[in-house]
Amino acid sequence: GENVEQHPSTLSVQEGDSAVIKCTYSDSASNYFPWYKQELGKGPQLIIDIRSNVGEKKDQRIAVTLNKTAKHFSLHITETQPEDSAVYFCAASTHLGQFYFGTGTSLTVIP
Amino acid sequence: DVKVTQSSRYLVKRTGEKVFLECVQDMDHENMFWYRQDPGLGLRLIYFSYDVKMKEKGDIPEGYSVSREKKERFSLILESASTNQTSMYLCASSLGGATGELFFGEGSRLTVL
Repeated sequence: GENVEQHPSTLSVQEGDSAVIKCTYSDSASNYFPWYKQELGKGPQLIIDIRSNVGEKKDQRIAVTLNKTAKHFSLHITETQPEDSAVYFCAASTHLGQFYFGTGTSLTVIP
Repeated sequence: DVKVTQSSRYLVKRTGEKVFLECVQDMDHENMFWYRQDPGLGLRLIYFSYDVKMKEKGDIPEGYSVSREKKERFSLILESASTNQTSMYLCASSLGGATGELFFGEGSRLTVL
């Protein structure tokens, strides 16, 4: 089955700096790569996603890049704010509709 | 607004008890999932269902079973709870199809003593 690895497990940045979280996947059949944000006491919520026919996608301060050849994808958050502090999960999904998640990154934005 | 509701936010059970975790979605989604979340291990899939009365094993089904008698409801059952099943359990649903967004409930934190 699919194996998704995520790094780093924890990340601290100063407010206003950028944060980058990286994931790799193993199954070349994976074709959908969402990113979820989980705030304390809540379930994960989708923040951005990318499909395998696209190399980059941006939504305001958040961007995701995908390198299919190398089987890795990354989340970029620019101009970080304290409300960006949360746990972030990457995931990979194949045409079968199963989602495989990374182990999570705890992001802390220091005011 | 999309909603996935898990009936219990916190439960404390004893070893050997039978435990039911209930999940209801109001979006008419075909797919429903149960995940377990543990620190350092991320979200691991226990069971999922693509339709009423059907179920498929995920990566860690041992010690669990599920029931989906109605489209909107997906129950996770621990037949005989053990201490290593102490965890956060997350239910999710998605529209049919391979790349539909997953919508999560707020989680049920289960402690087995």
